[in-house]
Amino acid sequence: EIVMTQSPATLSVSLGERATLSCRASQSISSNLAWYQQKPGQTPRLLIYGASTRATGIPARFSGSGSGTDFTLTISSLQSEDFAIYYCQQYNHWPPPITFGQGTRLEIK
Amino acid sequence: QITLKESGPTLVKPTQTLTLTCTFSGLSLSTSAVGVGWIRQPPGKALEWLALIYWNDDERYMPSLKERLTITKDTSKNQVVLTMANMDPVDTATYYCVYKRGNAWYFEDWGQGTLVTVSS
Repeated sequence: EIVMTQSPATLSVSLGERATLSCRASQSISSNLAWYQQKPGQTPRLLIYGASTRATGIPARFSGSGSGTDFTLTISSLQSEDFAIYYCQQYNHWPPPITFGQGTRLEIK
Repeated sequence: QITLKESGPTLVKPTQTLTLTCTFSGLSLSTSAVGVGWIRQPPGKALEWLALIYWNDDERYMPSLKERLTITKDTSKNQVVLTMANMDPVDTATYYCVYKRGNAWYFEDWGQGTLVTVSS
């Protein structure tokens, strides 16, 4: 099973600043990585798939990069609505077909 | 517009079997490569994929839970049903229904989720 490790567990960033979240796979997953945002009490929302393609309606301040084992989600200028938990998910390996990271909590500094 | 909605008990006892239903609209489970599945999230913890059924009735399960899970679909009712046997308190979680639109296994469409508590 592919293990997805996210870092840091918690990230404190000021409004308007840049946030960089990391996700590492225990073995190569090519570009088969997605990022989700989850706010308290809400359903996860797909942000990025294919490591770098924004999902429908996702603002341009969200960008994804990486391939192989190391991936990054960057939020260029944090807005108040961006403070949430972010999960990465690989979909390259079977079994199982997908595994999630443990999440990074993005909080206001 | 695609909608998915989970329904089922909010409380089950240990050792009982959980049955959850996902009722969907705005999507076709007759299209090649698509599927409907389930993901759960224990309170305060990460997401865990459980199972998915394809348009052609092919089933996929989380290997560590495969013996306890069964997923079925009723295309005429626009429903997918997940059963999980031998429930334990560690299975307490919000259970989400998800739609896999194409060949890749990421999910743009989620139900609102239903919290299931396992307790005697």
